[in-house]
Amino acid sequence: DAGVTQSPTHLIKTRGQHVTLRCSPISGHKSVSWYQQVLGQGPQFIFQYYEKEERGRGNFPDRFSARQFPNYSSELNVNALLLGDSALYLCASSLATSGSGNEQFFGPGTRLTVL
Amino acid sequence: AQRVTQPEKLLSVFKGAPVELKCNYSYSGSPELFWYVQYSRQRLQLLLRHISRESIKGFTADLNKGETSFHLKKPFAQEEDSAMYYCALRGNTDKLIFGTGTRLQVFP
Repeated sequence: DAGVTQSPTHLIKTRGQHVTLRCSPISGHKSVSWYQQVLGQGPQFIFQYYEKEERGRGNFPDRFSARQFPNYSSELNVNALLLGDSALYLCASSLATSGSGNEQFFGPGTRLTVL
Repeated sequence: AQRVTQPEKLLSVFKGAPVELKCNYSYSGSPELFWYVQYSRQRLQLLLRHISRESIKGFTADLNKGETSFHLKKPFAQEEDSAMYYCALRGNTDKLIFGTGTRLQVFP
């Protein structure tokens, strides 16, 4: 298993545009979480999905949305891009939604630059 | 408020020296605490968690509920320990709350 995969690796957009980021979890993992990591900061939680349902949402505007597909892959969508959306977007997968020992495995991230 | 604080952005030591990366947290309840590490050009990965009480790559961390701390320690640093280290907290959901990270540089 290649682990969590994300696409694309890098992306450059201009203000006002829309972007879709994709994530494939580890085989057998049903939960996917998205994090935003701005340069110099730690990852910040955006969403968690489990069994195609949203299970958690961080403090992000409605321009951010996500969904999970029947094969447990996930997309993160960001509308009306702002310069401040420039960041590394991380996807993490885990077996379940909570509980001790429920380790999250991170993907390599998608580097989004908004000009 | 739920918060993780890592006061040092950069910690530089020489090979063989002891290392302590500080982490303090704020959480009303009984959180799980983790240390994640990111080596150069690699993805974020779990180093250790407080419930495991194990030593990984010579690193240990003890949860001190009285001081709300979860400092990461290693008695003898190695050059390959150079990386970015993040302390993280998990409450009653799967959401991880990360600190801002500490870059550890180990010089030969």
